[in-house]
Amino acid sequence: SQQGEEDPQALSIQEGENATMNCSYKTSINNLQWYRQNSGRGLVHLILIRSNEREKHSGRLRVTLDTSKKSSSLLITASRAADTASYFCATDFDQGAQKLVFGQGTRLTINP
Amino acid sequence: NAGVTQTPKFQVLKTGQSMTLQCAQDMNHEYMSWYRQDPGMGLRLIHYSVGAGITDQGEVPNGYNVSRSTTEDFPLRLLSAAPSQTSVYFCASSYHPYGQRGNIQYFGAGTRLSVL
Repeated sequence: SQQGEEDPQALSIQEGENATMNCSYKTSINNLQWYRQNSGRGLVHLILIRSNEREKHSGRLRVTLDTSKKSSSLLITASRAADTASYFCATDFDQGAQKLVFGQGTRLTINP
Repeated sequence: NAGVTQTPKFQVLKTGQSMTLQCAQDMNHEYMSWYRQDPGMGLRLIHYSVGAGITDQGEVPNGYNVSRSTTEDFPLRLLSAAPSQTSVYFCASSYHPYGQRGNIQYFGAGTRLSVL
């Protein structure tokens, strides 16, 4: 499988702290995306970073990409209880970007 | 603007029964896909379509059929349900399967299927 792997599988922190999740993948990519899934809901796109980008910001989210290590990280700063969710990375391996392959996800719990 | 709509939300089948999971999008997206999500696993691609009349297999296509007669609809058919198909099924659509915007996907709320 070309599926990405996420680390850690579960993360529990206090409200206000920063949360970092990591994603590793196996082959060259066009871009890497992060999605969020609240319990019992569908996935929601958070941010996309292209293979020629190293860092990207969106609000309290910071994503980095290291193509030499085939890894990415998602940092959520000043976490809130509402950030409690599962977070998934997704990569497209196909040149035509027709297929996304999702990691297994990190379950993030923010304790008030 | 409803986005991606999946029906039904819940379904219980007996082994051997067939059924169709419905998916419709109102965003005029060319790309649509079906995933299944099992506990402790990410989403696995079942089938996808890059436009009306064009479908292709994903990672786990066995036991499922799809068709794409219109841009809006992408139904998933279970031919003869098996307990291994117990899962949560998600439909997604994307405006740009190719090019600079990347394959950013919009997901439906999911269908929870149990096969007894």
